[in-house]
Amino acid sequence: GNSVTQMEGPVTLSEEAFLTINCTYTATGYPSLFWYVQYPGEGLQLLLKATKADDKGSNKGFEATYRKETTSFHLEKGSVQVSDSAVYFCALSSGNTGNQFYFGTGTSLTVIP
Amino acid sequence: EPEVTQTPSHQVTQMGQEVILRCVPISNHLYFYWYRQILGQKVEFLVSFYNNEISEKSEIFDDQFSVERPDGSNFTLKIRSTKLEDSAMYFCASSILADNEQFFGPGTRLTVL
Repeated sequence: GNSVTQMEGPVTLSEEAFLTINCTYTATGYPSLFWYVQYPGEGLQLLLKATKADDKGSNKGFEATYRKETTSFHLEKGSVQVSDSAVYFCALSSGNTGNQFYFGTGTSLTVIP
Repeated sequence: EPEVTQTPSHQVTQMGQEVILRCVPISNHLYFYWYRQILGQKVEFLVSFYNNEISEKSEIFDDQFSVERPDGSNFTLKIRSTKLEDSAMYFCASSILADNEQFFGPGTRLTVL
């Protein structure tokens, strides 16, 4: 079946530190992969996506590469800011008719000045 | 920028009561979804809806749940007789096509007493 396993949090980093949040998946077929971000009091916002193997999604300095050989989609940012403090969710889409999304548990990131 | 809206932001109800959660998807989107997130747990898929019928539903979406698109803009989730374990954040989402990213609303926090 389909599932996403995400790095446990919470994660606390100093401003300008390097960020990695690990995400691995199990899927049947060829899913698309996503990172969503949830800022306090808000809904889930799409951060980046990749639709096939070796694609790299990027946005706002964040990057993630769809690695089929390791079934991973790790999120990275070279230099985090206080404004990046949020909960990050890795997700995959089943690609079937219902297009069900499968989410990881979310990783809470706090960036301190 | 178009966005998904949800009302109310917070709903408190007594066990056994019916609740209706409302969503207005993005206007040109064709696929609609409900997810829920119990505090501290994963975001879980409930149901997807296309062309006025359910495309896919999870095992969570039992006979107590129903969805409806009563007019051209609203998409509702009804819980017929709420239970304590229905307390969660409920997210509505929409997408243009089945395999596209989903756009999420800010959520409705449901508290069942």
